[in-house]
Amino acid sequence: DQQVKQNSPSLSVQEGRISILNCDYTNSMFDYFLWYKKYPAEGPTFLISISSIKDKNEDGRFTVFLNKSAKHLSLHIVPSQPGDSAVYFCAASFQGAQKLVFGQGTRLTINP
Amino acid sequence: NAGVMQNPRHLVRRRGQEARLRCSPMKGHSHVYWYRQLPEEGLKFMVYLQKENIIDESGMPKERFSAEFPKEGPSILRIQQVVRGDSAAYFCASSPTRAGGHSETQYFGPGTRLLVL
Repeated sequence: DQQVKQNSPSLSVQEGRISILNCDYTNSMFDYFLWYKKYPAEGPTFLISISSIKDKNEDGRFTVFLNKSAKHLSLHIVPSQPGDSAVYFCAASFQGAQKLVFGQGTRLTINP
Repeated sequence: NAGVMQNPRHLVRRRGQEARLRCSPMKGHSHVYWYRQLPEEGLKFMVYLQKENIIDESGMPKERFSAEFPKEGPSILRIQQVVRGDSAAYFCASSPTRAGGHSETQYFGPGTRLLVL
């Protein structure tokens, strides 16, 4: 049972344009959502998070949007840079459980 | 301020041997989590520990796998009698003490890549 889904295995974006990565979830108990970035042979690096009481959180070039009614969140990166090329994982958790449930990841490639 | 440390980074074992993976959390963090990533998949939760306590082991296989986080020293994930299907990347994460029951961000180590021959 895949509670967190990233339906796009890969995404290609031109440098300088906006990258939009999407994530859907099925468990309405989730109340905390995170995005991680992962390079090959390294551990996931925390990027940005959002609590279910908010619908938007921004940090520099990264913005996460949460649509609770649609059970959907997205990560916007603008402008995209070559160093953003990596696999991006969406993750969710809920109070009392602490464990993170991850999506399958989306491989983002930024083309010069 | 050192991040989450894991060792070894790479571990090769033959079928039937034991694998021990170590994790030192970030300074000031009292919660440790272990995740496993199989090729081309996302990370899957295995176990959540605090010092001397296993809080949630719902993701641990029922046999051969165990974890501990002693009062002193790193957290250990132990896999006995390894099989080829145990080959994966094992990641440790840590978080600070939870405030008021709210979720806290988990910070990951570089992982241990286990290869079972």
